[in-house]
Amino acid sequence: AQTVTQSQPEMSVQEAETVTLSCTYDTSESDYYLFWYKQPPSRQMILVIRQEAYKQQNATENRFSVNFQKAAKSFSLKISDSQLGDAAMYFCAYRNFTNAGKSTFGDGTTLTVKP
Amino acid sequence: DTGVSQNPRHKITKRGQNVTFRCDPISEHNRLYWYRQTLGQGPEFLTYFQNEAQLEKSRLLSDRFSAERPKGSFSTLEIQRTEQGDSAMYLCASSYRDRDYGYTFGSGTRLTVV
Repeated sequence: AQTVTQSQPEMSVQEAETVTLSCTYDTSESDYYLFWYKQPPSRQMILVIRQEAYKQQNATENRFSVNFQKAAKSFSLKISDSQLGDAAMYFCAYRNFTNAGKSTFGDGTTLTVKP
Repeated sequence: DTGVSQNPRHKITKRGQNVTFRCDPISEHNRLYWYRQTLGQGPEFLTYFQNEAQLEKSRLLSDRFSAERPKGSFSTLEIQRTEQGDSAMYLCASSYRDRDYGYTFGSGTRLTVV
């Protein structure tokens, strides 16, 4: 069974600074997807960024980028130029390529942005 | 496109009562998922549908839980004989089958069993 581990329950960053959230996963599959989702307080979860395991190039979406290390099974999220609106809980998720049904989520990292 | 809609937003029920939640996915999405989230944890998979077919159901899901998606449109999740341990946020999400761009989530239904 696949597992996803987020080892940082809480992180904080100063506004305009950069922060990196960690995620590791365990799988025996070679093809899969990885995602980062953001869940602001009392608001719905939204997709931040996705990465296909067969792509070596790290995904980037504006201020958000990932560091995907397939051999190490590591998938960290870097937020540059942090903004107050980035404060939220961030979840890392794994999904098989062949059986694109359920996703397995980590337990999340709560990010606080200090003004 | 109004996104994924879930009703009700909040539900308080007495232990032993039955409850039903509804999810209306994005109309173009043919996959629909139900997850449960408790405080301080990530979403836990319950079940998912492709069109009207229920393709997978978590082994953690007891027989008290049932889900339907008639005609491949909206879905309902029913919990019979609720227990205090059922208290959680129930999340619905939808996605395309052939383009795996991740999920679009609804706002969730928060269930409190007293």
